[in-house]
Amino acid sequence: QVQLVQSGAEVKKSGASLTVSCKASGYTFTSFGITWVRQAPGQGLEWMGWISAYNGNTNYAQQFQGRVTMTTDTPTSTAYMELRSLRSDDMAVYYCARVLNPTGMGAMDVWGQGTTVTVSS
Amino acid sequence: DIQMTQSPSTLSASVGDRVTITCRASQSISSWLAWYQQKPGKAPKLLIYKASSLKSGVPSRFSGSGSGTEFTLTISSLQPDDFATYYCQQYNGYSGTFGQGTKVEIK
Repeated sequence: QVQLVQSGAEVKKSGASLTVSCKASGYTFTSFGITWVRQAPGQGLEWMGWISAYNGNTNYAQQFQGRVTMTTDTPTSTAYMELRSLRSDDMAVYYCARVLNPTGMGAMDVWGQGTTVTVSS
Repeated sequence: DIQMTQSPSTLSASVGDRVTITCRASQSISSWLAWYQQKPGKAPKLLIYKASSLKSGVPSRFSGSGSGTEFTLTISSLQPDDFATYYCQQYNGYSGTFGQGTKVEIK
């Protein structure tokens, strides 16, 4: 079946970097995009950015530009999200999701299980 | 950046009620809008894409309408499983802003 499986929970210090992985299975990886969304405790969904698994093009939300990098590894059907210079307000559940468009943003029809990130000082 | 505004933030309703949630975009997004349902501790689920297309497997009591800057999600007869938080999301071009969410509570 189509699924996205994310890496496990992380505990990081302020100022450190975070990398979350998202392994896809059950579909042709390069026929879709991947987006990253986060949700702080008790808050709404925040779109972080998008990467095309087809051509590697990216677009990041303005508030993360310069601090986030999204990549894909086609042979392993895995997407990665790196967030640098972590702060306390980066504590959240991070989700990856499949985008119904290989070359631009679209609706997200399959979601990972989420990765909980804790940031301590 | 395109801003998305949902209303209301919270909605109290009873089983069997007709429920409507509104989403407004700060500029025209044509029909590039999706609706998601999220329950506590779970990942969101896609309900509607391209403003009015129902995802396969989603009950037909859910429907979406609108274009340009004004959009609506309607639940024709609220069921116990529908108490959740709903988000709209625009996906015009290469960005994907969410609305702030609407929590549907039991009255």
